[in-house]
Amino acid sequence: RKEVEQDPGPFNVPEGATVAFNCTYSNSASQSFFWYRQDCRKEPKLLMSVYSSGNEDGRFTAQLNRASQYISLLIRDSKLSDSATYLCVVNIGGGADGLTFGKGTHLIIQP
Amino acid sequence: GAVVSQHPSRVICKSGTSVKIECRSLDFQATTMFWYRQFPKKSLMLMATSNEGSKATYEQGVEKDKFLINHASLTLSTLTVTSAHPEDSSFYICSARQGVGAAYEQYFGPGTRLTVT
Repeated sequence: RKEVEQDPGPFNVPEGATVAFNCTYSNSASQSFFWYRQDCRKEPKLLMSVYSSGNEDGRFTAQLNRASQYISLLIRDSKLSDSATYLCVVNIGGGADGLTFGKGTHLIIQP
Repeated sequence: GAVVSQHPSRVICKSGTSVKIECRSLDFQATTMFWYRQFPKKSLMLMATSNEGSKATYEQGVEKDKFLINHASLTLSTLTVTSAHPEDSSFYICSARQGVGAAYEQYFGPGTRLTVT
């Protein structure tokens, strides 16, 4: 079983719509959770951290369900510039501090 | 914000040669740097964790004698791909973390695209 699983998409969504992604992780000891955004042939950039209580940053809302080991990202009022690959990222912490990346979900916002 | 640079951004080399990639944290001291690689249409995979002044910790399946990592200062880590082969062609990305612990954000460099012919 993969450590971080995401639906690769692509998700084709009209501009202005709301879109949601989920991701599941296998290691119950995971401590930190993030959503990164990666544009084609570029490095990943942190979109937001994900907290147990859920958190919102403008049009983006992230949720964490530790019991079910899944993380979600909701994008409201999507813009053309939101087109990218969204990476679900987990850090198990402790002595192993590298990030574990999902393969990403490809989002295409259509005008 | 924290900035991480990588050099070179793109390199093409012949099979059998060695290539050195530099990763620098420009405006902060990075206690830990990480090296990842990403093959086309695949996820980023952690190769090794590098702490300043100590030996790097390699992930399972990554050959430490092939991918030499040096982290001589708090702002510089280097990855040397020795005797590169075409299967080493990939996007190599470093990240740097300012503090110790999983909660600290990792800042990524812009990546180095290596093509081995």
